[in-house]
Amino acid sequence: GAVVSQHPSRVICKSGTSVKIECRSLDFQATTMFWYRQFPKQSLMLMATSNEGSKATYEQGVEKDKFLINHASLTLSTLTVTSAHPEDSSFYICSVGDVGNEKLFFGSGTQLSVL
Amino acid sequence: QKEVEQNSGPLSVPEGAIASLNCTYSDRGSQSFFWYRQYSGKSPELIMSIYSNGDKEDGRFTAQLNKASQYVSLLIRDSQPSDSATYLCAVSTGGGNKLTFGTGTQLKVEL
Repeated sequence: GAVVSQHPSRVICKSGTSVKIECRSLDFQATTMFWYRQFPKQSLMLMATSNEGSKATYEQGVEKDKFLINHASLTLSTLTVTSAHPEDSSFYICSVGDVGNEKLFFGSGTQLSVL
Repeated sequence: QKEVEQNSGPLSVPEGAIASLNCTYSDRGSQSFFWYRQYSGKSPELIMSIYSNGDKEDGRFTAQLNKASQYVSLLIRDSQPSDSATYLCAVSTGGGNKLTFGTGTQLKVEL
């Protein structure tokens, strides 16, 4: 399966600051990457689909101006949480899809804590 | 709304026993089904995928799919303490690697 690197693994920040999370596909070129969010004891919720060279597609209820996604190359997608607030504290996970069989492979995740 | 339902557990089984995890889904058009294992504080890891009705075996794991009943299950034989984790059922919705996840079943394998 695909090897996905995500950085940082943990972030603690003050309310009102912005946080950038990087997701890299290490072993193949990914035209599409996915960003999920997981609150404690809950399932993964798809936030947005990151498309290389074009705008991201956001799921209903996800604020595109708050969660900025950039997919400038075939191996890198970034998620920036702007003006973070305590309610944004969550586990953010990126994933890469294996074309043709719909399998998803996940990065190691980023635990964001906003104080 | 497309949903994937799982019993949250915890499901406790003794070491060496068979653990049976179940999942139902609402979208009859779903074609691809996956089981992921997630340890606490870690990201999900793909264990099994299944695309057609019947059983699919991989080592100690067997995935079972019944599209008519909209039901998919995962059997873990000879359960080990290291199998203790949350198991997420995921169903493809709309194609293009877009998956809907269940809330997961916590499995505890006891010595």
